[in-house]
Amino acid sequence: SQQGEEDPQALSIQEGENATMNCSYKTSINNLQWYRQNSGRGLVHLILIRSNEREKHSGRLRVTLDTSKKSSSLLITASRAADTASYFCATDAIGGSSNTGKLIFGQGTTLQVKP
Amino acid sequence: DAGVIQSPRHEVTEMGQEVTLRCKPISGHDYLFWYRQTMMRGLELLIYFNNNVPIDDSGMPEDRFSAKMPNASFSTLKIQPSEPRDSAVYFCASSSTRHLDNEQFFGPGTRLTVL
Repeated sequence: SQQGEEDPQALSIQEGENATMNCSYKTSINNLQWYRQNSGRGLVHLILIRSNEREKHSGRLRVTLDTSKKSSSLLITASRAADTASYFCATDAIGGSSNTGKLIFGQGTTLQVKP
Repeated sequence: DAGVIQSPRHEVTEMGQEVTLRCKPISGHDYLFWYRQTMMRGLELLIYFNNNVPIDDSGMPEDRFSAKMPNASFSTLKIQPSEPRDSAVYFCASSSTRHLDNEQFFGPGTRLTVL
């Protein structure tokens, strides 16, 4: 089955450092998305990268996509204590040639940023 | 827009009781998703609807779980009878086919504890 797998499962860094999280998936995609989940809250969409894109930026976030390796990375630069959260990648589930409408989420990376 | 609304936010019940979780998607969204999140199993898709019709319920754990969407603005997830292993956070999310990227908007979740 198409399943995003994040690496590492947990990451602890000091404020100001960069945090890099990786995601691998198994099948063809139209796009890959990253979501953030603060403790006790629902997931919030951060950024989307399409299959024909290789890199995308949004503020302190940088996402890369390598469709040949079926992998993506999320870089958070100059991290802050408020970035402490879990981060999930999600891929759209292509059913044949059609868009099924659903996303396949990975297991997530738990990021702790120490002040 | 108020976003996806879920109720109750917390539910504590005893084994064997019926539990009903409620969700109001974002107005105009035509996809609705029910997820379950636990430490052990991560985020699991239980069922999703398109235009009020169930599309894929393969994630529903067993017959004790049922979901309905009687209209575009309301859905329920029912567990009858509930068991301690059903304890989890249940999320509802919605999305729109007008947004071809399948970005999902999550509710705050219902934390269910079955004693």
